[in-house]
Amino acid sequence: KAGVTQTPRYLIKTRGQQVTLSCSPISGHRSVSWYQQTPGQGLQFLFEYFSETQRNKGNFPGRFSGRQFSNSRSEMNVSTLELGDSALYLCASSTVATSEETQYFGPGTRLLVL
Amino acid sequence: GENVEQHPSTLSVQEGDSAVIKCTYSDSASNYFPWYKQELGKRPQLIIDIRSNVGEKKDQRIAVTLNKTAKHFSLHITETQPEDSAVYFCAALYSNYQLIWGAGTKLIIKP
Repeated sequence: KAGVTQTPRYLIKTRGQQVTLSCSPISGHRSVSWYQQTPGQGLQFLFEYFSETQRNKGNFPGRFSGRQFSNSRSEMNVSTLELGDSALYLCASSTVATSEETQYFGPGTRLLVL
Repeated sequence: GENVEQHPSTLSVQEGDSAVIKCTYSDSASNYFPWYKQELGKRPQLIIDIRSNVGEKKDQRIAVTLNKTAKHFSLHITETQPEDSAVYFCAALYSNYQLIWGAGTKLIIKP
């Protein structure tokens, strides 16, 4: 099976712009989680989608939003970008909602906000 | 609240020695505790996990122990090798099916 893919891999934006990131899970996986990773901050959970519904949400402002489509592909949107949004954004998929299932991570999208 | 604390943040050991990383979790954590390894420039990957019905699990040079009374679980790596150099993350599954992650431990293997 193909692994989790994310597009684009790299992105440069300026403050105030918005950005949309895409994640395609492993075929058959229905749960997609999004994380923000910055040096020294580990993996910060953004949100999780399962069967097109947001099941969990982390402590991020409303500028961060997401959605999941019927084919389980997921998008994450960040509006009104700030310098502090520069990070690696990882998505991970699993077969069902994040219970006792392995999460398979994508390669990430590295976002730089200038 | 839901919280996982991971220590140390950086661990440097001599090649061949053992490394131990410890995580503590707050109340209401569920019964699933995975460990992920992230090599430099790569994505995190599951290396081992443990469920609360067992106290220890081993996989070759890697082992995880769980102490439910003290609410902590630890990753043990024996006979460390250069390829063990990475950032290790622990996590705990909470009742709302959300994984809460530790802040990560950078493991450095000195030749």
